[in-house]
Order: sequence, then C-alpha cells, then structure tokens
Amino acid sequence: GAGVSQSPRYKVAKRGQDVALRCDPISGHVSLFWYQQALGQGPEFLTYFQNEAQLDKSGLPSDRFFAERPEGSVSTLKIQRTQQEDSAVYLCASSLGGFFYGYTFGSGTRLTVV
Amino acid sequence: DAKTTQPPSMDCAEGRAANLPCNHSTISGNEYVYWYRQIHSQGPQYIIHGLKNNETNEMASLIITEDRKSSTLILPHATLRDTAVYYCIVRLTQGGSEKLVFGKGTKLTVNP
Repeated sequence: GAGVSQSPRYKVAKRGQDVALRCDPISGHVSLFWYQQALGQGPEFLTYFQNEAQLDKSGLPSDRFFAERPEGSVSTLKIQRTQQEDSAVYLCASSLGGFFYGYTFGSGTRLTVV
Repeated sequence: DAKTTQPPSMDCAEGRAANLPCNHSTISGNEYVYWYRQIHSQGPQYIIHGLKNNETNEMASLIITEDRKSSTLILPHATLRDTAVYYCIVRLTQGGSEKLVFGKGTKLTVNP
C-alpha cells in the first residue's frame, strides 16, 4: 500500500480485557517498529523487527505485551489483561532498513482502557 | 533516555523562515539526527535526516554544527499547515537493533 496502515483506529477495552492491534507496513519494508505515545509525550520505543525476527523488545513495559510478525509483513501487538496505564496511542512504523531511509509511521491506534 | 533537547514551544509568522534548534551534545559519531513532525491525531511525518553534512530537501534544510552537538531545522517559508510538534531525534543502533529516541519536541505555531 501507499502507507503504513493500522487497525483499529480506536479501541476501548475494559480493564482486564485482552486486545490485539494490527499493523500493515509498506510492502517490501524490512524493518518494523512499535511505539507507545502517552498523551502530551513523544513516542517511546517498544520493539523492533527485521523481517520476521524480533531483534529488540527492550521497550515492552511488561510481560503482558507481546508482538509478532510471523511472515515478515503484517505485525500484531497484543496486550493481555489491559490496565488503565496502557491507555495510549500505539504507533507502528516501517522502513526499508539502514540509515539512508526514513521511517514511515502509521496514524496509530488509540487505546482507552476503562 | 532522550538524547536531544528542544525548546518546548516557538512561534513564527506565516511566510517567514522557521528555525528550530536542537541540542544533542552527547551524540555519538555514527548516530544520525532525524527530524519528524506530528500534527494532532496523526502519526509522525518524516522531514529530513543527516549525519554531519548539511542536508536539504523539498520540505526543509538541516544544518548540523561541525562538532555535531547541535542542529537547526529550517522551514524556509512557513505556512499555517506547518503548525505541529517538531521532534529532533537521534537514531540509535546497537547490537543489531535500531530505534528512534524521541524527546518532548517543539510545538511550532505559525501565525497569520
């Protein structure tokens, strides 16, 4: 596609519910990233994939957060037993890889835990 | 572990150049500086990036000091649509991983 597509655009979850957020990167993009953006803050790194390999998950805040990219294209960020502090915008970005290229971000999924 | 410092807000008159400063005094030799902007409820939009040479594209110019401790993003003729939060970012690479480390950004308001 022309850009990075994320779905759903908005998600309201009850505390304790599991959620799954989807990211469709630009076709052919090797690198894929997930970021979390709290209200009024800059995005914070969660995890990085190179093709299907998750090379860095150091930013995942707890073991309730899990990300996968099984075929090296679409990625899913799963949050188990959601808590109110998980409320944020979750951004996905993709890149061809390497320092020469910029990163293209999606519009994000706004998660609200009530 | 943000590695950049930016003023929280700036104003600019429409049609004038907007010069957004960024301090990255602890940057390492192989770390690139990226600039992104974010308009409310949208994802960050890539503007420009560089290592040590000045860069220019259709959107902006990036001026990096010789010691690489600071840089300036220049929007040559600001328009109302340039009102956004501008992030100066260091791209970190380590152990096979890479990430963009965002700070708090500068809220640029372009006034008519």
